[in-house]
Amino acid sequence: DTGVSQDPRHKITKRGQNVTFRCDPISEHNRLYWYRQTLGQGPEFLTYFQNEAQLEKSRLLSDRFSAERPKGSFSTLEIQRTEQGDSAMYLCASSVAGTVGAGEQYFGPGTRLTVT
Amino acid sequence: AQSVAQPEDQVNVAEGNPLTVKCTYSVSGNPYLFWYVQYPNRGLQFLLKYITGDNLVKGSYGFEAEFNKSQTSFHLKKPSALVSDSALYFCAVVAGTYKYIFGTGTRLKVLA
Repeated sequence: DTGVSQDPRHKITKRGQNVTFRCDPISEHNRLYWYRQTLGQGPEFLTYFQNEAQLEKSRLLSDRFSAERPKGSFSTLEIQRTEQGDSAMYLCASSVAGTVGAGEQYFGPGTRLTVT
Repeated sequence: AQSVAQPEDQVNVAEGNPLTVKCTYSVSGNPYLFWYVQYPNRGLQFLLKYITGDNLVKGSYGFEAEFNKSQTSFHLKKPSALVSDSALYFCAVVAGTYKYIFGTGTRLKVLA
């Protein structure tokens, strides 16, 4: 078990460029979450997949953001036409569907995005 | 709407003393409650969770938390703090769906 991995770990981009991040969850986990975290704040929910289906998407997620999990394994998060306000740590987490309630999440190390 | 409050930005405690990090929540329905810890340059790590049953939940690294339904609280505790416990702690709640709501975090500083 290698845990949740994210790539890249750091990304610096110019305003207006598109960026794509990848998340590889723990292999037997069927749920995958994306969060955004800014300094001094807790993780902020962006979207959630169960297998390949995107079941919930935050209203905070503008149409510049899109996420996919094509085969129910890895996931990508794309941000189009980046803005300086997109600068943050993007976290991925995975979990197993619990038999009772929500299962604990396992987080990756995050991708730190800086938009200049 | 679901929400979580961590009223203290920072908690300072002397090594060897008991520690408490506070969390209160607001949900409709039965809550599922979690504590996570974040060390510098590391991802969040799961500490413990309350789903149902015993109100006192034991977790990793000697931490425990007490679920109090009447006070809608889920405070994190440890009988004897270690310097290595110094980190950022997050409380989270899930209710109704599988969407997690995290608090803003409490920085724990254990002084030698």
